[in-house]
Amino acid sequence: QGQLVESGGGVVQPGKSLRLSCAASGFSFSSYAMHWVRQAPGKGLEWVAVISNDGSTKYYADSVKGRFTISRDKSKNTLYVQMNSLRTEDTAVYYCAKGYSGSYYPSNYWGQGTLVTVSS
Amino acid sequence: QSVLTQPPSASGTPGQRVAISCSGSSSNIGTNYVFWYQQFPGTAPKLLISTNDQRPSGVPDRFSGSKSGTSASLAISGLRSEDEADYYCGAWDGSLRHFVFGPGTRVTVL
Repeated sequence: QGQLVESGGGVVQPGKSLRLSCAASGFSFSSYAMHWVRQAPGKGLEWVAVISNDGSTKYYADSVKGRFTISRDKSKNTLYVQMNSLRTEDTAVYYCAKGYSGSYYPSNYWGQGTLVTVSS
Repeated sequence: QSVLTQPPSASGTPGQRVAISCSGSSSNIGTNYVFWYQQFPGTAPKLLISTNDQRPSGVPDRFSGSKSGTSASLAISGLRSEDEADYYCGAWDGSLRHFVFGPGTRVTVL
């Protein structure tokens, strides 16, 4: 099964940085790709980034490429996203999600989300 | 602007069948799986259909998925009030080299 718990959200000024964490438990963390997906207030889902199970491969949405960095720590069973040069349009609830077995698709295991507000 | 297209809304009365379309291109739906996700307000999305037409454990068989060419469809038969939610299709896009969600379809039970 599994559980994912995000943390690190908050209010940050434009141009600043923030790092989100996603603590995983209940499954073999190092066996699955992991995703970040976000949802701006009142808007649809926007996929942000994915990292392979071993951390060697990463893909990003064009909207965050060069500003966000996804990473993982297998010793801590934790997924991260480092968000730099934040913009007001990055304001959203950020979800982490476990990858669907053997693929780069989000599965049925998502965290509860953490809200990031970029505002001056 | 998503590379996948969905109607913004769909509706039906209890018991009816509702179908939601998801249109893409050869670089996404045409060559890769389609997944469908259900989301209720204020909650995380839930995987409804995987690999075009497979229901994960616990998903009622009222929900079904299909794919043909560069389009996919989610059908809800025997519509119930608890099916009121937002539905998103998603697929890997080989040209963009990343996953994409459709814009979502809000289903209303009249």
